[in-house]
Amino acid sequence: SYELTQPPSVSVSPGQTASITCSGDKLGDKYVSWYQQKPGQSPVLVIYQDRKRPSGIPDRFSGSKSGSTATLTISGTQAMDEADYYCQAWDSKTGVFGTGTRVTVL
Amino acid sequence: EVQLMESGGGLVQPGRSLRLSCAASGFTFDDYAMHWVRQPPGKGLEWVSGINWNSGDLGYADSVKGRFTISRDNAKNSLYLQMNSLRVEDTALYYCAKDAGPGYSTGWWDSWGQGILVTVSS
Repeated sequence: SYELTQPPSVSVSPGQTASITCSGDKLGDKYVSWYQQKPGQSPVLVIYQDRKRPSGIPDRFSGSKSGSTATLTISGTQAMDEADYYCQAWDSKTGVFGTGTRVTVL
Repeated sequence: EVQLMESGGGLVQPGRSLRLSCAASGFTFDDYAMHWVRQPPGKGLEWVSGINWNSGDLGYADSVKGRFTISRDNAKNSLYLQMNSLRVEDTALYYCAKDAGPGYSTGWWDSWGQGILVTVSS
């Protein structure tokens, strides 16, 4: 089955840049979405179609992709960005989530 | 405002059945595909099943194929998940999620419910 691999954790200082990677076979051929989930809350879409940002999502969140790796970047990270982040893609009409990355703002 | 409200969860014994419902409001329900996504306690997200706008196309994760059935009633603005032959490993918070488009297998999820807990245990 298809797999998307993320680092388990990323630590960042307030105001600095956090980068979360998502790797998968032939990911370059698929669209990637990113979801933020804070403790006790439902997931929230932060990036879709690799790099598009939904209305209401701050512009410090950006997405990119190169080859088989997609990256979510949080610029000027704030304490409120501390959360779990999941990438997601479709493979053979099956939805696949990444393993998840916990972002800690130190 | 989009609202998705799940119901029907609870404690059930292994091998038994349960039916989840999701009541949708605040958008034109039959314009969009819908999904179920679950999250075991303390673990990551897992897509369970999706259905397109008119029930003509649907899909399941391998882990639930043959046991779970997704359906929708556009007249009632409702999404369902019939779960049969439940296993301990099906224990999770089940989310109802709205797709951004009518097809189920290409989009992203722009609205989520609060989730409903299903516990499978003897």
